[in-house]
Amino acid sequence: GDSVTQMEGPVTLSEEAFLTINCTYTATGYPSLFWYVQYPGEGLQLLLKATKADDKGSNKGFEATYRKETTSFHLEKGSVQVSDSAVYFCALMNTGNQFYFGTGTSLTVIP
Amino acid sequence: DAGITQSPRHKVTETGTPVTLRCHQTENHRYMYWYRQDPGHGLRLIHYSYGVKDTDKGEVSDGYSVSRSKTEDFLLTLESATSSQTSVYFCAISESTLRTGSNEQFFGPGTRLTVL
Repeated sequence: GDSVTQMEGPVTLSEEAFLTINCTYTATGYPSLFWYVQYPGEGLQLLLKATKADDKGSNKGFEATYRKETTSFHLEKGSVQVSDSAVYFCALMNTGNQFYFGTGTSLTVIP
Repeated sequence: DAGITQSPRHKVTETGTPVTLRCHQTENHRYMYWYRQDPGHGLRLIHYSYGVKDTDKGEVSDGYSVSRSKTEDFLLTLESATSSQTSVYFCAISESTLRTGSNEQFFGPGTRLTVL
């Protein structure tokens, strides 16, 4: 069945460091791919998305590219800030409108 | 922000009691979902709905039932709560790409349920 595997956490980085959170997926057909962010005590918010191969989603300095050849959608940011501390979820939506989420990666950015 | 509310936001109950959680949306979206979030498991789908009176089971549906009598409301019921159902419950909505041009899920603020 369809599934998402993302990098285990927690991840701790210093401010201005480069961030990569790996995400790979298994799905039939052509799913849409998403990154969601969850701040403490809140629900998930969409961070970025990509709906077809080679699309790049970007928002707030975060980027991810839909790579069909490697079935990946890695999240990157060139310079993290303390305010980026949160839990990040990779997700896919298949052609049946069903969503699958990774287990989440906790990021802590220290000043 | 998408108009999604969940009630109650916090609940403490005892084992064996029935519990109903409510999700209400003002977006007129077709699809509604209930997830539970637990450490080490991420989000797991409990049930979802693809229209009024149309529901289906998700990955962890045992012990839960749902109902959707109106587009805007999706109820999750624990018929007899157990301690293993202590969790944070999130409701989400989405709409078909053909209708809105967008296909992401929008999430409610969550309900923290503790079963003693």
